[in-house]
Amino acid sequence: EPEVTQTPSHQVTQMGQEVILRCVPISNHLYFYWYRQILGQKVEFLVSFYNNEISEKSEIFDDQFSVERPDGSNFTLKIRSTKLEDSAMYFCASSEGLGRYYGYTFGSGTRLTVV
Amino acid sequence: AQRVTQPEKLLSVFKGAPVELKCNYSYSGSPELFWYVQYSRQRLQLLLRHISRESIKGFTADLNKGETSFHLKKPFAQEEDSAMYYCALSRGGSQGNLIFGKGTKLSVKP
Repeated sequence: EPEVTQTPSHQVTQMGQEVILRCVPISNHLYFYWYRQILGQKVEFLVSFYNNEISEKSEIFDDQFSVERPDGSNFTLKIRSTKLEDSAMYFCASSEGLGRYYGYTFGSGTRLTVV
Repeated sequence: AQRVTQPEKLLSVFKGAPVELKCNYSYSGSPELFWYVQYSRQRLQLLLRHISRESIKGFTADLNKGETSFHLKKPFAQEEDSAMYYCALSRGGSQGNLIFGKGTKLSVKP
């Protein structure tokens, strides 16, 4: 069964540093998403991406965050200057069509620890 | 505002007992509802979506628009059902993102 792949599985970074989280969505999927889960809290939507542009973003997704699909296979989330409160599990997801109809396939996540 | 509420953080049952994981939602439009499961140290996996009206691993969920609920049920719990269960809502129109509940940890004891 096709999978969404995320790397690295765990990243530790110093406050103020830039991090890039990487995702390889399923190859024929068209919609891409980033979610995050702070320890002990609910999974929260960050951003959705379709047709090479952001289709929707949440209040969490401020100017510190950006997404890119640089080469047609990878889908990246960049945090420019990390804060302690960015420590969370970050999940990438993709869907074949609009997720509400086709469902979403999630990656196994990247645990980001900001120290 | 759209919201998904899972009132129980932890639900503990014995093997063979019936299970009901509660989910209530708040949304003025026509939502799509999902249940996701996360086994220990694994990824979120789609368990059910109301649009397909199917039963997976013995679990079923019925959308009750009057009560704005989408409770997950299984008549006889198995130890391998122990996991985190998340109820999620997707809004109408072109907005495809999911709004998750806080999750319920199901523990099935032998």
